Amino acid sequence: SQQGEEDPQALSIQEGENATMNCSYKTSINNLQWYRQNSGRGLVHLILIRSNEREKHSGRLRVTLDTSKKSSSLLITASRAADTASYFCATDAWGGATNKLIFGTGTLLAVQP
Amino acid sequence: DTAVSQTPKYLVTQMGNDKSIKCEQNLGHDTMYWYKQDSKKFLKIMFSYNNKELIINETVPNRFSPKSPDKAHLNLHINSLELGDSAVYFCASSPTGTVGAGELFFGEGSRLTVL
Repeated sequence: SQQGEEDPQALSIQEGENATMNCSYKTSINNLQWYRQNSGRGLVHLILIRSNEREKHSGRLRVTLDTSKKSSSLLITASRAADTASYFCATDAWGGATNKLIFGTGTLLAVQP
Repeated sequence: DTAVSQTPKYLVTQMGNDKSIKCEQNLGHDTMYWYKQDSKKFLKIMFSYNNKELIINETVPNRFSPKSPDKAHLNLHINSLELGDSAVYFCASSPTGTVGAGELFFGEGSRLTVL
């Protein structure tokens, strides 16, 4: 089964509003990462939060991590049309010989101008 | 300069054919990966190499064979292509491979369509 699952699957907001996406996972992690994927493009790393951190900020992005609930959220403030993309959480899981990133199901964000 | 580059970007082929996708990174990273993204955008790890050595081999059919001639290159060869192989294949690299999965740098993807 998938390690991470995002919620909601799709989100449509107006420019200027905030967007919140959630991610739940199943096993213990070293870190959790968020990525953005524009349509037809590769994934781009946004932010990494370690298991001993609770909150992290980067520009208009705010990520929280609750290891007791095995969940994380990504908040994008003052959204712009250019934020329209799919957002994925990825958890760092032990792969037997090394760590590997397991991606969630993604949230498709549409920001209407 | 493109950090992680894959070729070709698009590949359309018939069932039963053999095809290859090439990947190169100029970031000096030790670890490279192949991920498969299906039509529902689900990304699944396939393989990982650390300094030319295979370290992750997920449950992938034997028809898929990765090759890493040096730590900057990771190619993917697929034999006897099937309809279900249609997907976007992403190459990625990262500077860490053994102590925590670090940030991944992705290529733009290679869209494979099997007819």
